[in-house]
Amino acid sequence: AQTVTQSQPEMSVQEAETVTLSCTYDTSESDYYLFWYKQPPSRQMILVIRQEAYKQQNATENRFSVNFQKAAKSFSLKISDSQLGDAAMYFCVLLVPRGYSGGGADGLTFGKGTHLIIQP
Amino acid sequence: DAGVTQSPTHLIKTRGQQVTLRCSPKSGHDTVSWYQQALGQGPQFIFQYYEEEERQRGNFPDRFSGHQFPNYSSELNVNALLLGDSALYLCASSPLLGRAYFGQGTRLTVV
Repeated sequence: AQTVTQSQPEMSVQEAETVTLSCTYDTSESDYYLFWYKQPPSRQMILVIRQEAYKQQNATENRFSVNFQKAAKSFSLKISDSQLGDAAMYFCVLLVPRGYSGGGADGLTFGKGTHLIIQP
Repeated sequence: DAGVTQSPTHLIKTRGQQVTLRCSPKSGHDTVSWYQQALGQGPQFIFQYYEEEERQRGNFPDRFSGHQFPNYSSELNVNALLLGDSALYLCASSPLLGRAYFGQGTRLTVV
């Protein structure tokens, strides 16, 4: 079984500052994917960034970057130059593919989320 | 191109009743997954459908069942509703081994 732990229920940051959200996970598999999703009050779940476990290079998407430490099973999200529109629940998510036979993606394992507040 | 659409957006049911939630996947997506998100929690995986069959299931009782139609749309059925079934139900669709796109969810309240 897979688990994802987010130890920060809530984080607050000043607009234009940098904030880091923490995540640890556990799986016995070596092939997996990690994601950060954001969920604003609209409830729409939006993909922020994705990391393949076999890639050593940390993923980056504009102001969003991750620090992926495979041995420590740690996957933190750094948001630079925070903007008011970044305010949302952020979920760390793990996907362990069951195998390619039969096709299709597999169920995602979510953490409990971190509520990010942006102070103007 | 429409994204993932779910209906209805809100629903109120009485304990013991049955409910059906619907999901239309994003165009080109053949896999549909359902998640339950209780208030203040992360989503929990219910099950996944591919080629009209349940491919994988999370830790949910048999009261939760589903169906996928030939056009890839899907339904989630919950029988004998409990107060604890009150939650946001999210549908996600994806292409073969691709990234998941989520709908805006159905808010179910059981009274």
